[in-house]
Amino acid sequence: EAQVTQNPRYLITVTGKKLTVTCSQNMNHEYMSWYRQDPGLGLRQIYYSMNVEVTDKGDVPEGYKVSRKEKRNFPLILESPSPNQTSLYFCASSKGTGGSNEQFFGPGTRLTVL
Amino acid sequence: GQSLEQPSEVTAVEGAIVQINCTYQTSGFYGLSWYQQHDGGAPTFLSYNGLDGLEETGRFSSFLSRSDSYGYLLLQELQMKDSASYFCARSGNTPLVFGKGTRLSVIA
Repeated sequence: EAQVTQNPRYLITVTGKKLTVTCSQNMNHEYMSWYRQDPGLGLRQIYYSMNVEVTDKGDVPEGYKVSRKEKRNFPLILESPSPNQTSLYFCASSKGTGGSNEQFFGPGTRLTVL
Repeated sequence: GQSLEQPSEVTAVEGAIVQINCTYQTSGFYGLSWYQQHDGGAPTFLSYNGLDGLEETGRFSSFLSRSDSYGYLLLQELQMKDSASYFCARSGNTPLVFGKGTRLSVIA
């Protein structure tokens, strides 16, 4: 089944404790991205990757890191989480970025930073 | 700029038709997509307009007017299960940018 998986689905952590949210897709998509979703603010892009070893900042990259060592995986790293990073996070992938390239979203990771 | 504007909330009656509008900024614009998100779920793709005009997929249609920098999603024969948030998203020379979403409530 074609899908994007994220782990963990739910996480409660404390300020400053490094964490990684994994994202994996099995569709051989070149483009992957991370979004955070907060009430009233819609989906805001954190980082994106056009291909292996190519990553770029989105609209809200501060406090986050990513890597793209393999095509299928795109982990999101919070080196020192803070309470303002409490949010719902989505990973997404698509064949490309132009035209009607449908973005496939993972199920989401709900993160709470205390 | 890349921003999109859409209403924050819409309420409509079961069986009726509802239109959700989206205006966008034109810089580097390629096309407009629509996504649906149910509470607790992930966004899922509904439609894409790269050219002016109407695209129909069952009960849902999407329209684009490049000259007006405007598009809309039309939902017909509304069902309770259509209650969800709907996002327009612009594709262009930058990665996909989403609007803040329109929460549709379908009432009996």
